[in-house]
Amino acid sequence: ETGVTQSPTHLIKTRGQQVTLRCSSQSGHNTVSWYQQALGQGPQFIFQYYREEENGRGNFPPRFSGLQFPNYSSELNVNALELDDSALYLCASSPDRSYGYTFGSGTRLTVV
Amino acid sequence: SQQGEEDPQALSIQEGENATMNCSYKTSINNLQWYRQNSGRGLVHLILIRSNEREKHSGRLRVTLDTSKKSSSLLITASRAADTASYFCATFQGNRDDKIIFGKGTRLHILP
Repeated sequence: ETGVTQSPTHLIKTRGQQVTLRCSSQSGHNTVSWYQQALGQGPQFIFQYYREEENGRGNFPPRFSGLQFPNYSSELNVNALELDDSALYLCASSPDRSYGYTFGSGTRLTVV
Repeated sequence: SQQGEEDPQALSIQEGENATMNCSYKTSINNLQWYRQNSGRGLVHLILIRSNEREKHSGRLRVTLDTSKKSSSLLITASRAADTASYFCATFQGNRDDKIIFGKGTRLHILP
């Protein structure tokens, strides 16, 4: 049973639109990271936040942005959606960067 | 690009047999983690091995790490039907800029 909750579970957006995905982490998990997973592929690291500041980023363009809040929730924002942005988006949190991560069940985004 | 590369990409074995999956990576790491994913949902953390450790056990799981060869292996003993899933290795590189890099995964199928 996961302690990380993501919303919504499914979402359909139109190309060019903007989307906000949300994640609620366990209390005390100061580290949260976001991933994009295409079908049949491994998760691709988008970025990581620690105590509300970004402390790591993968090879994603600036239209992928995020926020982490003091209440252990976080957001992933994607602007100017493209068809290739269709994927499963996963949020994961950890009490510390040197521990394993607890993943949410993901948001499946479809861009049409 | 992905750092970890799992081998084999797919593996089918009889229930009760042992399953071995391998992972290779390219750069220095702080730790390496193995995760399981069922049916494209959230990932479940299995085990973490630090760069100064060589072997770690957890229940039916055994993980080895060879930093000189930049490789790791995951052994699942006495496999069960419930072990059917995709397995991913993830390398954690953290200095000032944290990055968590997943491989493409091994799809394990346990035959009854």
